[in-house]
Amino acid sequence: AQSVTQLDSHVSVSEGTPVLLRCNYSSSYSPSLFWYVQHPNKGLQLLLKYTSAATLVKGINGFEAEFKKSETSFHLTKPSAHMSDAAEYFCVVSEILTGGGNKLTFGTGTQLKVEL
Amino acid sequence: GAGVSQSPRYKVAKRGQDVALRCDPISGHVSLFWYQQALGQGPEFLTYFQNEAQLDKSGLPSDRFFAERPEGSVSTLKIQRTQQEDSAVYLCASSFDPAPSSYNSPLHFGNGTRLTVT
Repeated sequence: AQSVTQLDSHVSVSEGTPVLLRCNYSSSYSPSLFWYVQHPNKGLQLLLKYTSAATLVKGINGFEAEFKKSETSFHLTKPSAHMSDAAEYFCVVSEILTGGGNKLTFGTGTQLKVEL
Repeated sequence: GAGVSQSPRYKVAKRGQDVALRCDPISGHVSLFWYQQALGQGPEFLTYFQNEAQLDKSGLPSDRFFAERPEGSVSTLKIQRTQQEDSAVYLCASSFDPAPSSYNSPLHFGNGTRLTVT
């Protein structure tokens, strides 16, 4: 089975400083990896996805992530945090279901706090 | 509306009661998923439908959990004889095709139903 581990349950940064949310994955084959964001009382939103076409993936709202096979990592970064980035972030791996379709396995989440 | 709609938004049930949670996916979406998100945790897969067919139910925690999608659109997740450990947010997600991991057919999540069992 595939899995992801988010190394930090909480991250706090100052507005305008870089963001780093860490994720390691475990997979027996080339994985499909994602980052989702969950704002309070809102649905989960896809930030970006690793497709194996490029190891550096750019997403929405200035976020990007780099797939590093040697380190089994897929860390999420943003050069400059904004107050609106405060939310819960989930690293996710996709697994093909026996009956068809893809199942998403979520990490435990990282709560990002952005301070003035 | 344009998004995935779930109702009720909140549900409080006494232990032992049966509950039914509804999901209205985006019109025309083939794939429908249910996830369970316990407090402080990431969502966990429960079950998957492709149209009306339930192709995977490996994530359902017990036989008290039952999901259906009889006409390939609206889905209902039913929990019988609720227990306190069933307290969680239940998320529904839909996608246009069976491979919701693609950008061309992303997975759309509803806002969830928060179930509290007392």
